[in-house]
Amino acid sequence: DTGVSQDPRHKITKRGQNVTFRCDPISEHNRLYWYRQTLGQGPEFLTYFQNEAQLEKSRLLSDRFSAERPKGSFSTLEIQRTEQGDSAMYLCASSQRVSGANVLTFGAGSRLTVL
Amino acid sequence: DAKTTQPTSMDCAEGRAANLPCNHSTISGNEYVYWYRQIHSQGPQYIIHGLKNNETNEMASLIITEDRKSSTLILPHATLRDTAVYYCIVRYTGANSKLTFGKGITLSVRP
Repeated sequence: DTGVSQDPRHKITKRGQNVTFRCDPISEHNRLYWYRQTLGQGPEFLTYFQNEAQLEKSRLLSDRFSAERPKGSFSTLEIQRTEQGDSAMYLCASSQRVSGANVLTFGAGSRLTVL
Repeated sequence: DAKTTQPTSMDCAEGRAANLPCNHSTISGNEYVYWYRQIHSQGPQYIIHGLKNNETNEMASLIITEDRKSSTLILPHATLRDTAVYYCIVRYTGANSKLTFGKGITLSVRP
């Protein structure tokens, strides 16, 4: 297993277009998270799944954002009608329990630039 | 979740120990202290976590004060590759197990 994979690594799009990011977690991890990170800030939580169930969504996840994890394996994050403010790094993580604590392993991220 | 306070930045010389402080004065008994780091243009990387006892692994040591209100991450022999943003996070391990990141501390290791 090569860790958490995210695709694409970079995406440039025009305002108003839709974009989709894919995340492949570590295979034995049943929890999957999406975060967003803008320049100079720490990652901000967007949503997380346990298996295929989406258990929490941040208020940052507007109606234009939707995340799915249909079979409890890979996940997609779609942004509809992109805005310039959506430009950010979108990070995916999956987790396992280590010594009683929930440890997240992050992917390298998908960088979105909205022109 | 308990809030953490970290200095904005610090530096240290290559080969020396880097001691990164974190205050978490409102921590409760069932909250863990986690440390992650983020090297430029990469995703955050887990370093270490602890509850009450000091912990050590191949990357670092975590020293937690007896009252658990503060902790120190120690990189025993810092290298240039340790230059990164380091995040101290306190989190209850329950069903809702997301991590909330602050701005972290930027560690610069100088040659």
